[in-house]
Amino acid sequence: DTGVSQDPRHKITKRGQNVTFRCDPISEHNRLYWYRQTLGQGPEFLTYFQNEAQLEKSRLLSDRFSAERPKGSFSTLEIQRTEQGDSAMYLCASSLGGYDGYTFGSGTRLTVV
Amino acid sequence: KNEVEQSPQNLTAQEGEFITINCSYSVGISALHWLQQHPGGGIVSLFMLSSGKKKHGRLIATINIQEKHSSLHITASHPRDSAVYICAAHNDMRFGAGTRLTVKP
Repeated sequence: DTGVSQDPRHKITKRGQNVTFRCDPISEHNRLYWYRQTLGQGPEFLTYFQNEAQLEKSRLLSDRFSAERPKGSFSTLEIQRTEQGDSAMYLCASSLGGYDGYTFGSGTRLTVV
Repeated sequence: KNEVEQSPQNLTAQEGEFITINCSYSVGISALHWLQQHPGGGIVSLFMLSSGKKKHGRLIATINIQEKHSSLHITASHPRDSAVYICAAHNDMRFGAGTRLTVKP
């Protein structure tokens, strides 16, 4: 499988717990993006990496959210002290940059109860 | 106010109809993406275009960078085209809210 993979597909957690999601991009893609999507809405940009450097963070990414891409390959998105409002689909996408298209993963659906 | 706006929000068509979905943006961009999202969440990149027109099968995308407007057309629509279609500005991937298309047989 050469697509973008995300793990886990579904996560149910209690409010206040920490969760971590993983994204494995297409191996030659140097850009990696995280998005959040709530029901009925388009995806909202959270952050993106060029190789291991985090180049941009949305103001949506509060201090409870942190993302890393330590070796410029896979990335993790951690949410600390989860709140019910964090319930959403978290999507990852990768690209070569420039004018190449994006490839999206299937997402991780988070439910905070 | 979203800087990337799509219209219509919802669209219902009969099989075979020609469909147009519009996207307008207020920020300057170098290119725009059209994406398709089926129920269950999978997103597929359809087009990225910076000028003119691109065609892939029954799908056609056009863009006018100066007018900050793009359209996605579907010819001879089919029920399997039913999905949410989303446009996104390339520069920072700001997304429109999406157009939910339902094609009835």
